Amino acid sequence: DTEVTQTPKHLVMGMTNKKSLKCEQHMGHRAMYWYKQKAKKPPELMFVYSYEKLSINESVPSRFSPECPNSSLLNLHLHALQPEDSALYLCASSQIDGAGELFFGEGSRLTVL
Amino acid sequence: AQSVTQLGSHVSVSEGALVLLRCNYSSSVPPYLFWYVQYPNQGLQLLLKYTSAATLVKGINGFEAEFKKSETSFHLTKPSAHMSDAAEYFCAVSARRTGYSTLTFGKGTMLLVSP
Repeated sequence: DTEVTQTPKHLVMGMTNKKSLKCEQHMGHRAMYWYKQKAKKPPELMFVYSYEKLSINESVPSRFSPECPNSSLLNLHLHALQPEDSALYLCASSQIDGAGELFFGEGSRLTVL
Repeated sequence: AQSVTQLGSHVSVSEGALVLLRCNYSSSVPPYLFWYVQYPNQGLQLLLKYTSAATLVKGINGFEAEFKKSETSFHLTKPSAHMSDAAEYFCAVSARRTGYSTLTFGKGTMLLVSP
């Protein structure tokens, strides 16, 4: 069982919709991540939060807006997406110290019509 | 800069046969290396990790990997494949930063297991 929980598992939205993806972890990790994964490709880093502060934004378009309300929660707000944004969105968390392994959630499958 | 190369986008084995998935890394510092598995429509699950404590690392589901510095390799093996091992496998190297880490993934290897 994964200890990183993502909701919803599936999301279909139109290009004018506003929706959010949610991620929660209770492992006490203070670093949290959003990745985007297209079919048959490795995950691509989007955002990193460390101690609830944004540390990395990998030049992600502004139609993706991350939020870290507290140390356990991570949101990704979606607005005016394009069909090419359809992908599996993965949340992950890690310890601040240690070897740097990330623990991933099951992902949210997003389809933009 | 760190990088990972996985040789072979697809590997096919018969059930019961040896599994060998290849990974070579490039790193200017002693690396932390990982193997992840991804089943269809699921997230990534950590199989095993190398953190310099031992060169032969044992992971979950009977997998193991050996770190060879001279060959800059971290190949994943399993003595006997099972149908349930069919999945995508990613090798990754970690770059530690203050307060977080970034993983550089290989392109992945799809393991196909036939009866």
